Amino acid sequence: EAQVTQNPRYLITVTGKKLTVTCSQNMNHEYMSWYRQDPGLGLRQIYYSMNVEVTDKGDVPEGYKVSRKEKRNFPLILESPSPNQTSLYFCASSLWGARGAEKLFFGSGTQLSVL
Amino acid sequence: GQQLNQSPQSMFIQEGEDVSMNCTSSSIFNTWLWYKQDPGEGPVLLIALYKAGELTSNGRLTAQFGITRKDSFLNISASIPSDVGIYFCAGLDFNTDKLIFGTGTRLQVFP
Repeated sequence: EAQVTQNPRYLITVTGKKLTVTCSQNMNHEYMSWYRQDPGLGLRQIYYSMNVEVTDKGDVPEGYKVSRKEKRNFPLILESPSPNQTSLYFCASSLWGARGAEKLFFGSGTQLSVL
Repeated sequence: GQQLNQSPQSMFIQEGEDVSMNCTSSSIFNTWLWYKQDPGEGPVLLIALYKAGELTSNGRLTAQFGITRKDSFLNISASIPSDVGIYFCAGLDFNTDKLIFGTGTRLQVFP
């Protein structure tokens, strides 16, 4: 089954404690992206990757890092989480970048709370 | 960053009623998309629109690509309880290759 898998689904942590949210897709997609969803603000792009070893900033990259060492994986790293990073996070992938948006697959989300 | 304004922000309706929501932007887009997010899940594509003025249906859903290319509309007819969720519009700009999401409309349907 074609899918984007995020882990964990829920995470509670404390300020400053490094964490990683994993994302994996099994569709051989070249494009992967991270979004955060906040009430009243919709989905905002954090980082995206057009291919292995190619990553770029989205609209809200501050406080986040990503890596793309393999095609299937695109982890999101918070080196020193802060309370304003409490949010619902989604990973997504598609075959052809944003122009393949009608084929953009989303993971089920990771609800992060930073205390 | 750029954002799309969706309205209304939330809707509380009775089963069987029709629903209308819209999305507006200060920029023009080449493609408009409408997604639905079920509680506890990621967004799923409902309808994609590629041409100004285009009207497209998917079951009880109908969406339109505005003539000015700066807006889009989604209608749901005869709502049912499983229509509950958050609806997002998204605009694709070919110049920047960016997909911009709207602020979302939360829909509640009461029996």
